[in-house]
Amino acid sequence: GAVVSQHPSRVICKSGTSVKIECRSLDFQATTMFWYRQFPKQSLMLMATSNEGSKATYEQGVEKDKFLINHASLTLSTLTVTSAHPEDSSFYICSARPYDSGDPDTQYFGPGTRLTVL
Amino acid sequence: DAKTTQPNSMESNEEEPVHLPCNHSTISGTDYIHWYRQLPSQGPEYVIHGLTSNVNNRMASLAIAEDRKSSTLILHRATLRDAAVYYCILGAQGAQKLVFGQGTRLTINP
Repeated sequence: GAVVSQHPSRVICKSGTSVKIECRSLDFQATTMFWYRQFPKQSLMLMATSNEGSKATYEQGVEKDKFLINHASLTLSTLTVTSAHPEDSSFYICSARPYDSGDPDTQYFGPGTRLTVL
Repeated sequence: DAKTTQPNSMESNEEEPVHLPCNHSTISGTDYIHWYRQLPSQGPEYVIHGLTSNVNNRMASLAIAEDRKSSTLILHRATLRDAAVYYCILGAQGAQKLVFGQGTRLTINP
């Protein structure tokens, strides 16, 4: 149980285009989903927290107009990187926290999406 | 966010136990201790968590010091598939977000 999927797993795009990444909780409902970014040889950096039906909360330094997050249902959150540039190339990872989880703050992570902007 | 300190890297041999330390001297009374691991090119994977008492599950054991200022993740019999970066993270219940440090890169030798 507690499986999170991401699509696509890998995407290459041209500079200036927008890319959408989907994150789905497959066997549980998630009131809260998180988006992280990870550059090579570095740790995960939290970008934003999204709650179903409300606006995402972005971490300091993350541009909300560039990284659009939509949490449309209890099983789906999307991250859109708008007008992508090479410096946005990174490994994007989502996680989900089960609704009414008995475990304090346990998150289940997706497999990640590797974005390369040419 | 309360900070944790872990060694940058550790090395062990296959089929031997591994003890991964974590210091968290500024832990507050309501902070849980979470451990996640990340295999190469994958998202992190939940390993174990605890508050005060030692915890066991099918993946690992978590030993928590009596003063809670340190903890140790124990892999009882390491396999090559346990090679990963292990993250020790503190989280207050209800705080929701997890703040990842640099973790410990564990290498397992055949």
